[in-house]
Parts: sequence; C-alpha cells; structure tokens
Amino acid sequence: QVQLVQSGAEVKKPGASVKVSCEASGYSFTGQFMHWVRLAPGQGPEWMGIISGGDGKTTYAQKFQGRVTMTRDTSTSTVYMELRSLRSEDTAIYYCAKDQFGSYNMDVWGQGTTVTVSS
Amino acid sequence: QSALTQPPSASGSPGQSVTISCAGTRSDIGAYNYVSWFQQHPGKAPQLLIYEVSQRPSGVPDRFSASKSGNTASLTVSGLQAEDEADFYCSSYAGSNNWVFGGGTKLTVL
Repeated sequence: QVQLVQSGAEVKKPGASVKVSCEASGYSFTGQFMHWVRLAPGQGPEWMGIISGGDGKTTYAQKFQGRVTMTRDTSTSTVYMELRSLRSEDTAIYYCAKDQFGSYNMDVWGQGTTVTVSS
Repeated sequence: QSALTQPPSASGSPGQSVTISCAGTRSDIGAYNYVSWFQQHPGKAPQLLIYEVSQRPSGVPDRFSASKSGNTASLTVSGLQAEDEADFYCSSYAGSNNWVFGGGTKLTVL
C-alpha cells in the first residue's frame, strides 16, 4: 500500500534552516507529484508547494518563495523540503502528501514532522 | 488568515446531521470542480474524505456527502457518530499549480 514516512522532529533556532524528508513507497514515485502542507497550532493548513517526482519541477506558494526549496531523489523515492531563515511563526507540523493523479487533491499523507523554532 | 472560510466550530447530537460550509472565490472553488475535504483526529495526519467536490474514496462511509454551489462548498455528515468528532478542512485547486485551504472546523458530537 502507499506509504509516506517522514523524518523525525526538529528543534531549530531562529534564522536557521530545516530540511524534512519524506520517503515514498507503494506506487510509481516518478509518475506522481508530492505536496508539502504545514499545520501551525490553532491555524488551518497552509499549502507550501508541490514537486514532480518525475522531473523535479516545483511550484511554491507565493508566501514561501525565496525561503523554501523542494527536491527529490528518485533513487530512494524521497522528497525533501528545506525551509530557511526560520522564525517562531514557522513552528508547525509539516506534512508531505501525495497528489492523486488527475484529481488535484492529496490522497495519502505522511505522519507529519514537528518543527519547533525557539531561541 | 486562510484563503477559504469555514466556521470555526459545528456540533450535533448522535444521529443528527450537520453541514459545514467552505466559502471561496471565483478563482478557486468557483472556477474548478477540485474541492477536497479532509478529516483530522487529534494527533493524526489529515485523511482524505471527499475529492472532486463530491467523490468519496473507497472506505469512506456514505454518511459523508458534499456538494458545491457557486463559490461555496459544503460537507454534510449524516447520522452523527461519536467517532466523527474531529477537525475538518476544505481545500480547493486555485489554478497555476496552486492550492488553498480553509481554516478548519472543529466538529463536536454532543
């Protein structure tokens, strides 16, 4: 079955960077896209961007452009999300979610990675 | 501030029905039939409940139904059960490879 396994929790200081990984299995990695979504305490989800598992092309939400980079490694079926210049407002649970081909939605989600930004 | 507007809370007694709204614009919900709904229980990842406005993935009970009218989508939970208590989020494709979410609705089963 489709499974997305994310890396463990991170604690970072303001100004630092964080890189979260998401290893996919159970489907054709290069044939699908992957979203990144974050959920901050007391807020609704925020869509951060999407990456193609095939050619690695990305689209980032305007809010995160210049601060986020999404990459993928086809040899390990893993996608990465790096967020730079962290501030306290970036404290959230970060999720990868597989795009459901042709349906423009997120059909399978990773377990989430908690990122805490604190001095 | 989320792009889509949901009521922060909703509630109903077991067996009753409750409807959650999701208001967008003509650039997202109004433009595309790609509205999704997600259910999130505490400490768990969100799970896809509805896609393409009203389609249920396999395994989702038919007590969950959804629709869209103009720029607003709606999710109805019929025959409320205790396990339905959770946070519900709507999402819509917004064009140019962008997506937007609602702020979420906390459903309480009284």
